Amino acid sequence: DTAVSQTPKYLVTQMGNDKSIKCEQNLGHDTMYWYKQDSKKFLKIMFSYNNKELIINETVPNRFSPKSPDKAHLNLHINSLELGDSAVYFCASRGDGRSGNTIYFGEGSWLTVV
Amino acid sequence: GDSVTQMEGPVTLSEEAFLTINCTYTATGYPSLFWYVQYPGEGLQLLLKATKADDKGSNKGFEATYRKETTSFHLEKGSVQVSDSAVYFCAVQGGSEKLVFGKGTKLTVNP
Repeated sequence: DTAVSQTPKYLVTQMGNDKSIKCEQNLGHDTMYWYKQDSKKFLKIMFSYNNKELIINETVPNRFSPKSPDKAHLNLHINSLELGDSAVYFCASRGDGRSGNTIYFGEGSWLTVV
Repeated sequence: GDSVTQMEGPVTLSEEAFLTINCTYTATGYPSLFWYVQYPGEGLQLLLKATKADDKGSNKGFEATYRKETTSFHLEKGSVQVSDSAVYFCAVQGGSEKLVFGKGTKLTVNP
């Protein structure tokens, strides 16, 4: 069983479209994240949720909207896609201090905007 | 905020060579330190971690020691293999909830 799974793995779409990436973790963790990896491989946090509540929101355009229907899911919706949104998006999760603070990542979603 | 400075790549080595990738950090409180690896076309995998000063993390022949006095967490391997070719990321998790990454170091190992 994959601990942190995200779909789709690959997504090619046109500018201006709206798309979603889904993420689910079966680790029982309370905290989930979205990270973006740009073309130079640089990884930067976008959002963090703890028990469905937003706790970190870095400087991300309003076109990006995370949604957490329950603590095992954190989806990322992107409106009006732009060329610069092309990147790899990683979902991740972390348990509380008692279960360790290691952050586990999904396999990534490769988004290409054309 | 927290930050990581990681050795610039790319690094190219011959098989069985010794590897060191330098990493230094700044963080508040008592941070935890991590190395993640990303193989070509794949996601991020945790390679090793250390949660307090003088801890040594190790996995798959890789090692890194948490040095608080020098704020460093250098990655080492005594004998690299072609299959170690990947991008390696040093990361710090300080007082905030987030993991802050270095810029990554691409390693290529030639047979």
